[in-house]
Amino acid sequence: GAVVSQHPSWVICKSGTSVKIECRSLDFQATTMFWYRQFPKQSLMLMATSNEGSKATYEQGVEKDKFLINHASLTLSTLTVTSAHPEDSSFYICSAREFGQTNYGYTFGSGTRLTVV
Amino acid sequence: AQSVTQLDSQVPVFEEAPVELRCNYSSSVSVYLFWYVQYPNQGLQLLLKYLSGSTLVKGINGFEAEFNKSQTSFHLRKPSVHISDTAEYFCAVSLNTGGFKTIFGAGTRLFVKA
Repeated sequence: GAVVSQHPSWVICKSGTSVKIECRSLDFQATTMFWYRQFPKQSLMLMATSNEGSKATYEQGVEKDKFLINHASLTLSTLTVTSAHPEDSSFYICSAREFGQTNYGYTFGSGTRLTVV
Repeated sequence: AQSVTQLDSQVPVFEEAPVELRCNYSSSVSVYLFWYVQYPNQGLQLLLKYLSGSTLVKGINGFEAEFNKSQTSFHLRKPSVHISDTAEYFCAVSLNTGGFKTIFGAGTRLFVKA
């Protein structure tokens, strides 16, 4: 079945530095990838939708300059948290929609635990 | 706008007992419905989905859900739970138009006790 690889699975960084998270579709082409943020014991909040070759669409309240999303190919999307601060610490999860598929439920990555100290 | 309400934040249940996790949604347009499971520090795994057709949907791990359009509900059920079913369960709706966004409920923590 479809597999989405997310890397790294966890990362600790110093306040003020930037962190890049990768989301790869391993055995299919992902027209669209979604980035979510999840706080402890809470649900997933959609941050942005990224389409290959175009600018990401951010949800209301998400700072596009802080959370840079790049979807340069049909198998890779990256989320860069710029100038990270402790309040950015969270669990980030990506999901991917296969090219040509209608809405049958997306494949999720295993998530990235970001801790900013 | 679409929304998803999971009525129970936590559901404790004894092993081998039946369980129902409740989900209600609201939407002005047609949606697809899903249940996902999340184990600690992991991503989400699709349990089952309703797209169209039969309102009773069977998924993995013995779970099933029933779509009730009049009550705008999509409750998840399992006749006999195992310790390994302890996890967070999310109900979700996805638009079948536009950007195909998925909106999640707040989640229900299922805790199976021996």
